Amino acid sequence: AQSVTQPDIHITVSEGASLELRCNYSYGATPYLFWYVQSPGQGLQLLLKYFSGDTLVQGIKGFEAEFKRSQSSFNLRKPSVHWSDAAEYFCAVLNYGGSQGNLIFGKGTKLSVKP
Amino acid sequence: ETGVTQTPRHLVMGMTNKKSLKCEQHLGHNAMYWYKQSAKKPLELMFVYSLEERVENNSVPSRFSPECPNSSHLFLHLHTLQPEDSALYLCASRAAGRSSYEQYFGPGTRLTVT
Repeated sequence: AQSVTQPDIHITVSEGASLELRCNYSYGATPYLFWYVQSPGQGLQLLLKYFSGDTLVQGIKGFEAEFKRSQSSFNLRKPSVHWSDAAEYFCAVLNYGGSQGNLIFGKGTKLSVKP
Repeated sequence: ETGVTQTPRHLVMGMTNKKSLKCEQHLGHNAMYWYKQSAKKPLELMFVYSLEERVENNSVPSRFSPECPNSSHLFLHLHTLQPEDSALYLCASRAAGRSSYEQYFGPGTRLTVT
C-alpha cells in the first residue's frame, strides 16, 4: 500500500535560516505529490504540487520542493524562514489504489521559528 | 465568499445531542470530502462525494451521516457522539474528472464532545 513518511515531528529553526522538511513516499511509478501548510486553527493550504516534468517545483510563499525518484523523496525547502512560516506542514501523495482522487497524508511536521 | 467555507467553526455538544456541520464550496468543483483530524494522527478520510453521489465511506461509524444535496454543499450530521469523536473536521473539494488532483480545504470545525 502507498504511504507517506515525514520523519521529523517537530523542527525549530531561527528566523532567516534555511529550512528543509523531509518527505518520503512509497509508490512504484511516478507519484503525484503535494505539500500543504496548516496554520493553527485553520484548514490546509496547498503550497505546491508535482505531477511530472521539472523535478524542482516552485510554490507559494517562497517555498520549493524537489522530487528525487532515486530517494523516493519530495523535500520542501525555503532559503530564509520568516516567523509567519511557523505552522504544520503536510506531505501528501495521490492514492492510486483509490478511484476518487484521494490523497494519502503524512503525519505532519510542526515548524517553530525562533526570533 | 470564495474558496471553501465551513460552519460552525467551533461546536461543543453533549453525547446525546444532534448537530450538523456545513461545508460550502464556491470553486465550481464537483467532488467533496470530509476528513477527521485528531491530535498526533494523520488526516483520516471519512467520506467522498463525487457528482453528489457518495463514492467512499471509510468504515465510519453510523453516528456520522453525510449529506450532499448539490455539488456546492456538504453536510455532516452528528448524533450520539463519543468523546473520542472530538477533533477538527475538515471539508475539502476538487474538480473531479480533471488530471489535477489537488484538494482545497475549508478552515474546519473544531468539535468537542462532552
